Amino acid sequence: EIVMTQSPATLSVSPGERATLSCRASQSVSSNLAWYQQKPGQAPRLLIYGASTRATGIPARFSGSGSGTEFTLTISSLQSEDFAVYYCQEYHNWPPITFGQGTRLEVK
Amino acid sequence: EVQLVQSGAEVKKPGQSLKISCKGSGNSIGTYWIGWMRQMPGKGLEWMGIIYPGDSDTRYSPSFQGQVTISADKSISTAYLQWSSLKASDTAMYYCAGTAGSAWVSWGQGTLVTVSS
Repeated sequence: EIVMTQSPATLSVSPGERATLSCRASQSVSSNLAWYQQKPGQAPRLLIYGASTRATGIPARFSGSGSGTEFTLTISSLQSEDFAVYYCQEYHNWPPITFGQGTRLEVK
Repeated sequence: EVQLVQSGAEVKKPGQSLKISCKGSGNSIGTYWIGWMRQMPGKGLEWMGIIYPGDSDTRYSPSFQGQVTISADKSISTAYLQWSSLKASDTAMYYCAGTAGSAWVSWGQGTLVTVSS
């Protein structure tokens, strides 16, 4: 089973600044990697799929990069609505399907 | 893109059975895989299993195999997650989500299951 490890567990960033979140896979998942945002009391929302393709309606300040085992989600200029928990998820050779443990993005 | 609507919150006692649902609208769920995820209080997302309603092909996470049953009725665009004997440790939010084979593009709003004596 592929293990997904996200870092850091918590990231404190000021509004307007850039946030960089990392996700590492225990073995190559090619570009079969997605990022989700979850706000309190809400279901997760797809942000990025194929490691770098924004989902429908996702603002351009969200970008994804990487392939193989190392991936990054970058939010270029944080807005108040961006403070949330972010999960990466691989879908390389499912099943199984595995999520990272999440990164909480909080206001500095 | 399929829209998913889940059944409402449930409060059950240990040992009771339960079946929650996830109904698709818009594009038929028959062309999507529907998965179920568990989120325990304050914790992350865990994949439980997945079903293709078109032919009922079902796969389970080893962690949930034998603990739950996933099923679907393509004729009414609905997928189900079922327990035969609930435990307190099943208390969690459960989400269904749809995929065409890659990322989960659509999510239900979640069903909170509380198991308490």
